[in-house]
Amino acid sequence: NAGVMQNPRHLVRRRGQEARLRCSPMKGHSHVYWYRQLPEEGLKFMVYLQKENIIDESGMPKERFSAEFPKEGPSILRIQQVVRGDSAAYFCASSPFLGGYQETQYFGPGTRLLVL
Amino acid sequence: DAKTTQPPSMDCAEGRAANLPCNHSTISGNEYVYWYRQIHSQGPQYIIHGLKNNETNEMASLIITEDRKSSTLILPHATLRDTAVYYCIVSLGSNYKLTFGKGTLLTVNP
Repeated sequence: NAGVMQNPRHLVRRRGQEARLRCSPMKGHSHVYWYRQLPEEGLKFMVYLQKENIIDESGMPKERFSAEFPKEGPSILRIQQVVRGDSAAYFCASSPFLGGYQETQYFGPGTRLLVL
Repeated sequence: DAKTTQPPSMDCAEGRAANLPCNHSTISGNEYVYWYRQIHSQGPQYIIHGLKNNETNEMASLIITEDRKSSTLILPHATLRDTAVYYCIVSLGSNYKLTFGKGTLLTVNP
C-alpha cells in the first residue's frame, strides 16, 4: 500500500514565480491536510480539504496561497508570486473518513521549496 | 488543545530502551496523546496514540499515567535509525489540526 506521495521533492523558484505542489493521498483516504515547516520550526497547519471541498483554511496566508483537491487527481497547493519567506518544507498528510473522531494522519515526504 | 512539555534532547545507547517523557498537565478528559517522529529531512511518521490505557504496537509502547498528566514513549530496542525528533501531541478527538512543538531530539549512539 503506497504511502502519501508528494512531488516534486525539491522545487526552486525565483521571486515572483508560481509554485505548484502536488499531493496524492494514501489509497482509501479522502481527507488531505497541508502543513508548512519553516527552517528550525515545528510544522504548522495550513489547510484541510476533502474531495472538491475546502473544510478549513484558517492556517493559510490570506493572499497568494490557494489549495484544491479535485474529484480526480492529486491535491494541489499553489503559491503565487513567491517571496523568499515562502522557502520552507511543505508536508501533506492524509487520513481516512472522519466520522466525528480524528483519524490518524499519515504524512508524505514533503516538498522543499527554495525561493531565490 | 493542551500544551505539552518535552526535554529538548536525549541520548540512548543502541540496543537499549529509549524512554521519552512528555508532560501534559492540562490535558482534558477527551484529549488523545499522539506521538510522531521526524527523521532528518523526512515527513513526520506516526508512531502511536492513546487516550487512557497503555498502548503497544510494532514500533513502540505508550505509557499514560493514571491522572493522564504525563506519558512516556518507549522504544524497546533503539537502533541508529531511531535517531529523530519525537513529538508528543495532545489533541481532541475531533481536532484535525495537529500542533507540533519543538519535540525531543533523540540521538541513538553506537
